[in-house]
Amino acid sequence: QKEVEQNSGPLSVPEGAIASLNCTYSDRGSQSFFWYRQYSGKSPELIMSIYSNGDKEDGRFTAQLNKASQYVSLLIRDSQPSDSATYLCAVMVGGFKTIFGAGTRLFVKA
Amino acid sequence: NAGVTQTPKFQVLKTGQSMTLQCAQDMNHNSMYWYRQDPGMGLRLIYYSASEGTTDKGEVPNGYNVSRLNKREFSLRLESAAPSQTSVYFCASSEARGQGRNQPQHFGDGTRLSIL
Repeated sequence: QKEVEQNSGPLSVPEGAIASLNCTYSDRGSQSFFWYRQYSGKSPELIMSIYSNGDKEDGRFTAQLNKASQYVSLLIRDSQPSDSATYLCAVMVGGFKTIFGAGTRLFVKA
Repeated sequence: NAGVTQTPKFQVLKTGQSMTLQCAQDMNHNSMYWYRQDPGMGLRLIYYSASEGTTDKGEVPNGYNVSRLNKREFSLRLESAAPSQTSVYFCASSEARGQGRNQPQHFGDGTRLSIL
């Protein structure tokens, strides 16, 4: 079992819709979770950090964490074509090590 | 403020050649990381340095060596390049604490490495 799993997609949503991205992880001791966005040919950039169970909102983005179910998600409201990218879920395990999921490709159709 | 700077940006090597990828950060972060990214594989951790003077293996360390030269610089060396090491390499840094709420990583622009 991979330590961090994501649906590779592609996930296609119409402009203005909600995009829902999911991630599961295997290390129950993990305490730090991150979502990054990566445009083609570019480096990953941080969208959200989340550390506690529940929801964390930042503009159009909401991260959700459920440690009991070992599940992290990212919701993008009012999706825009500029949101089309690969979204990477990252989980810190064993202290300093960060493991990334393979990423979910999102396409927002105008 | 440059953040994380990687050199070179592109490189082509022949099988068996060696080279060192350089990474420097100016954010005074304690932890630094090297990843490789292959199509459909996401980012895979090669080596990391939790603090100056320490280095540890990640998921895919075989064929690589690293040096944490000082707090700012963390280099990755390929001693005898192989075609399987063709990839995009990213360096990252963070102010990680090792437990509890760790800070996210900041990435360099990457090095695109092709080995023929």
